[in-house]
Amino acid sequence: NAGVTQTPKFQVLKTGQSMTLQCAQDMNHNSMYWYRQDPGMGLRLIYYSASEGTTDKGEVPNGYNVSRLNKREFSLRLESAAPSQTSVYFCATTSGRVSNEQYFGPGTRLTVT
Amino acid sequence: AQSVTQPDIHITVSEGASLELRCNYSYGATPYLFWYVQSPGQGLQLLLKYFSGDTLVQGIKGFEAEFKRSQSSFNLRKPSVHWSDAAEYFCAVGETGTYKYIFGTGTRLKVLA
Repeated sequence: NAGVTQTPKFQVLKTGQSMTLQCAQDMNHNSMYWYRQDPGMGLRLIYYSASEGTTDKGEVPNGYNVSRLNKREFSLRLESAAPSQTSVYFCATTSGRVSNEQYFGPGTRLTVT
Repeated sequence: AQSVTQPDIHITVSEGASLELRCNYSYGATPYLFWYVQSPGQGLQLLLKYFSGDTLVQGIKGFEAEFKRSQSSFNLRKPSVHWSDAAEYFCAVGETGTYKYIFGTGTRLKVLA
């Protein structure tokens, strides 16, 4: 079992370019999340999907869109990248109840120049 | 709104010394509480969790945490730190009634040989 996988691991974009970060899980979990991690700010929730077919905004959704493609996959899209989106992005999953822990992917380090 | 506070941004301890990392939360009901560890360049890994029962919970790698309702705290402890414990530690709470988790800003632990 791979758990939670993310692609790519690293990416450099120029301002205004677009890209999609991919996340896949083989844990049969219902809920999936996208976070960004910035120094001194912990993890901030961008979007989440409580179950297949639903998505909701988190704390910092501006400049991002998401797609829950199926139960396994949850992608994060930057339509027009900005330097403020330079960050490390983590995908996470859980079985759907907040009494259960989250399982995290290895992260994508994104730099926007 | 619920929040999680980790008052110590950085902590330095000598190898073999005891460790306590602080976490305070604001929440009306009994929260679902988690501690995660993040090694450099890695995703987050669960150390331990609490949602009911015994207020002293044991986790992996020799860590434990104590839930104190009267102090709204969930501090992480280890009696003897190893050099491999150098990492960043995050406290989190599961927001009951939603699918969301709230993370503290993290505490970076440095271990001196």
